Amino acid sequence: EAGVAQSPRYKIIEKRQSVAFWCNPISGHATLYWYQQILGQGPKLLIQFQNNGVVDDSQLPKDRFSAERLKGVDSTLKIQPAKLEDSAVYLCASSRGGRMNTEAFFGQGTRLTVV
Amino acid sequence: AQKVTQAQTEISVVEKEDVTLDCVYETRDTTYYLFWYKQPPSGELVFLIRRNSFDEQNEISGRYSWNFQKSTSSFNFTITASQVVDSAVYFCALSERGGYQKVTFGTGTKLQVIP
Repeated sequence: EAGVAQSPRYKIIEKRQSVAFWCNPISGHATLYWYQQILGQGPKLLIQFQNNGVVDDSQLPKDRFSAERLKGVDSTLKIQPAKLEDSAVYLCASSRGGRMNTEAFFGQGTRLTVV
Repeated sequence: AQKVTQAQTEISVVEKEDVTLDCVYETRDTTYYLFWYKQPPSGELVFLIRRNSFDEQNEISGRYSWNFQKSTSSFNFTITASQVVDSAVYFCALSERGGYQKVTFGTGTKLQVIP
């Protein structure tokens, strides 16, 4: 089966600009996650969707980050305006279900550099 | 609050040596799951193993083995006869009970296997 697809792979923007990332999960996976991975750290969950509804966005900086999952399939994550500290790899993952015993399948990520 | 500690930031071994990656976790729940993921240079996290809190049996899969000890809140990962292809960052993760899983990742251990 095809894996989780993300684009772009790399993005360099200036601070205060906006940026958007796209994710296409594995077909049939109801749960979609966006993680932020800062260099040298583990992934931190930003937002979790179950189909097209949000089940956890407690760590999403809502003043500048937004995400949507259209028709319960593809998803976009937007940052507006970007700050220097947003430089990180943004990983999208999907799983068949959102229960605690479910392993996630990850995309290769988008490496964002804010200058 | 849940927490995962991977005290080893980087480990270097010579090919064919055995290596153990440590993982210590904290949780108040009695029901939880532990995971190990591998992150090769290409960026995507690859699922390796899942273990639930009621199953303390050790597991072996080829050159990989996992030792789960609830008494010390540890879930260590051993690679036997390491190979260059094992070079990657390895993450331990904890998922607690809830309506939907809330996963906390450790900071990762970078393993370099030298030929």
